[in-house]
Amino acid sequence: NAGVTQTPKFQVLKTGQSMTLQCAQDMNHEYMSWYRQDPGMGLRLIHYSVGAGITDQGEVPNGYNVSRSTTEDFPLRLLSAAPSQTSVYFCASRQPGLVYEQYFGPGTRLTVT
Amino acid sequence: GNSVTQMEGPVTLSEEAFLTINCTYTATGYPSLFWYVQYPGEGLQLLLKATKADDKGSNKGFEATYRKETTSFHLEKGSVQVSDSAVYFCALSEGDNNDMRFGAGTRLTVKP
Repeated sequence: NAGVTQTPKFQVLKTGQSMTLQCAQDMNHEYMSWYRQDPGMGLRLIHYSVGAGITDQGEVPNGYNVSRSTTEDFPLRLLSAAPSQTSVYFCASRQPGLVYEQYFGPGTRLTVT
Repeated sequence: GNSVTQMEGPVTLSEEAFLTINCTYTATGYPSLFWYVQYPGEGLQLLLKATKADDKGSNKGFEATYRKETTSFHLEKGSVQVSDSAVYFCALSEGDNNDMRFGAGTRLTVKP
């Protein structure tokens, strides 16, 4: 199993550009999430999904869109990048149930200039 | 809403010292509690968890006990090693809705 994979690892955007961060998992997990990690703020939940076709907003959803057309993939779209979106982005997945842990991808470091 | 407050870092210890990283939480019900660890350049990995009051999670010499009366889940290790240098995150999840909240993280550096 590759686990949770994310592409790209690094990305530089100009303000106003759009892009999609890719996330895929091969563990057949129903639940997937996107977090951003900023210094001194830990991880903050952007959007999450409890199954294909079902998404919901987390703590900081503004400026981001998601969709979940398959169990495996959960892309995160930045519609019009802003410098405030400079961050490290992590995708995670898990099985439903309180006893199951989250598995995290390696992260995407995004810089918006 | 639910939240986690974690001890500010960074923390620097000598090898074999005792470690405590404090974590307290706010939740409306009965959350599950977690400690995750992030090594440099990597994603987060689960270190230990507890799903109900008085449960003790343990792994790799680390321990944390779910204390409902003090809404706490402090991480401890009796003798740290250089290889424990990492960032540690406390987290909670209430219900099975995939909404997990994290603390700010505590960077631990262990010197030989």
